[in-house]
Formats: sequence, C-alpha cells, structure tokens
Amino acid sequence: QLQLLNSGGGLVRPGGSLRLSCAASGFPFSDYYMSWVRQTPGRGLEWLSYISSSGSMTSYADSVQGRFTVSRDNTKNSLSLYITNVRPEDSGLYFCTRGILADFWGPGTLVTVSS
Amino acid sequence: EIVLTQTPGTLSLSPGDRATLSCRASETVGKDYLAWFQHKPGQPPILLLYGAYNRATGVPDRFGGSGSGLDFTLTISRLEPEDFAIYYCQYYDTTRAIFGGGTKLQIK
Repeated sequence: QLQLLNSGGGLVRPGGSLRLSCAASGFPFSDYYMSWVRQTPGRGLEWLSYISSSGSMTSYADSVQGRFTVSRDNTKNSLSLYITNVRPEDSGLYFCTRGILADFWGPGTLVTVSS
Repeated sequence: EIVLTQTPGTLSLSPGDRATLSCRASETVGKDYLAWFQHKPGQPPILLLYGAYNRATGVPDRFGGSGSGLDFTLTISRLEPEDFAIYYCQYYDTTRAIFGGGTKLQIK
C-alpha cells in the first residue's frame, strides 16, 4: 500500500543543520513530483518545496529559499530535505507529500529548534 | 505573491448542519489550481478537493466545492462528527503552492 515514512527530525540548535528523509513505497516514485510541507502552531500549513519527478527542477517558498535544499534518489525511492542555518521559527512538523496535488502525506517528523 | 484568506477563522456548528467555508484569493486563480484539505490533530492532512470541485478518491459526496476567479467555497452538506477539523484551501501550480490560513470547524 501507499507509504511515506519520515525520519530525521529532532532537537537542533539555532544555526545548526539537519537532513530530513522520506522513504516512499507502494507507488512509482519516479513518476511523481514530491514536496515538503510543514505545520507550525502559529502559522498552520506552509508549503516549502517541490522537486520534479526526475529531480531536475526544484522550487522553494521565499521564506526558505537559500537555506533549504530538496533532493531525491529515484533508485532508492527516497526524498530528502537539507536545512541549514536553522532558526527557531523552523520548528514544526515536517511532512513529505506526493505529487503537486499532495494527494498523499507521510506522518510527519518533528523538528524542534532550541538552544 | 498570491495570498489566500479563509473565512471564518472558526466556525461553530452542530452535526447535521450545513457548513460553508470561504477562500478568497488576492488575485485571480485558475480554478484548476485550487484544492481543499482536511486536517485533524495528530494526523497528516488529507486532500479533499482539487480543481476547485473535484473530489479526491474516497471523499464522501457531502463535500462539495465551487467558485472561480477570486472566491472559492467548500461546502459540507450535512456535518458528521468526524468532519470537525481544520480546513485549508491551497493554490498550486508547477512552481509553487500556497496555503490559506485555515478555518477551524468545531462542534457547537
């Protein structure tokens, strides 16, 4: 069945970096755009990034441009989000989602930014 | 940049009521690119509607969408207990996506 498994969250200090991962199964991963969305208590849902099915095209929300990098490995059905210079406002629950339509979501991984 | 404003912020209704949730865009949005999501605490959001009024797989037909241009509406014809949640509209295209601030639908 469809599955997106998130990993890589946790506690990180301001200014640090972390990599979030998403393992996909149950669908032809290489056929789909993938995206990252986060949920924060104060701001609801926030779209962060897309990556095209081949990985050749990426796009980012203005709020994270330059600090977030999305990538994928279609041989391993995996998606990643690398975050640098982490800020307190990056704290939240990070979801990977399938396709531009976001028709399927992983369970999310929690990121807490604190010193 | 497109801004999506959802009203009301909170809607208090009873099971069996009809719910009408609004999403206004700051500039004209093609209806093909407007979606609605339902989000319950502790669960990932689920896609309800895409293309403004097309129901996603498995979504009950009490959920309906309408609108075009600047104004879009999600209607739940007869509320079930499991429908109380936060609802988000979203604009999407191949280069970006933007969520509205959400409407919390709570039991009156």
